[in-house]
Amino acid sequence: EPEVTQTPSHQVTQMGQEVILRCVPISNHLYFYWYRQILGQKVEFLVSFYNNEISEKSEIFDDQFSVERPDGSNFTLKIRSTKLEDSAMYFCASLHRGNTEAFFGQGTRLTVV
Amino acid sequence: AQKVTQAQTEISVVEKEDVTLDCVYETRDTTYYLFWYKQPPSGELVFLIRRNSFDEQNEISGRYSWNFQKSTSSFNFTITASQVVDSAVYFCALSEAVEYGNKLVFGAGTILRVKS
Repeated sequence: EPEVTQTPSHQVTQMGQEVILRCVPISNHLYFYWYRQILGQKVEFLVSFYNNEISEKSEIFDDQFSVERPDGSNFTLKIRSTKLEDSAMYFCASLHRGNTEAFFGQGTRLTVV
Repeated sequence: AQKVTQAQTEISVVEKEDVTLDCVYETRDTTYYLFWYKQPPSGELVFLIRRNSFDEQNEISGRYSWNFQKSTSSFNFTITASQVVDSAVYFCALSEAVEYGNKLVFGAGTILRVKS
């Protein structure tokens, strides 16, 4: 069964460093998303991406964040200068046009120290 | 604006008890989708069910059942004869379907603890 793959599963980084979280969506999907879940809290939408551009972003997704689909298969989330409060589980999801169920990856746990 | 409320922060039951998790939603759209996800201790999000706003038929899948009532904007989830493996955080979510690709808005989640 096709699945969304995220790497790494866990990343520890120092405050102020740049991190790139990687996702490989399901191959024929057209819509891509990043969500964030701070420990013990709800899952929050960050950004959606369609047709090589951002289609919607939340207020959390400020200038420190960017997304890219560099090669037609990977979908990345970059945090330019990490803060302690960026520590969270980050989920990637993808969706096929004509469907309504987004498939989630297993998540990347980011720890900023 | 979309909003999902899961008023029960945490529920504890003893194995074999039935348990209902509540979900109330708000949306201005007439077309929308409702979801339930399970998040076990390992952290991944496991899709359980999707319901569209035009289908109020209740659904049963094994020990799981869902009750969708548009009149009260509720989409409640019942686990019959709970098991220890059901212990997890359960999230209700809403997607407005103005067009494809709309984001999911999640509730705060309900922690379910099933004791043996």
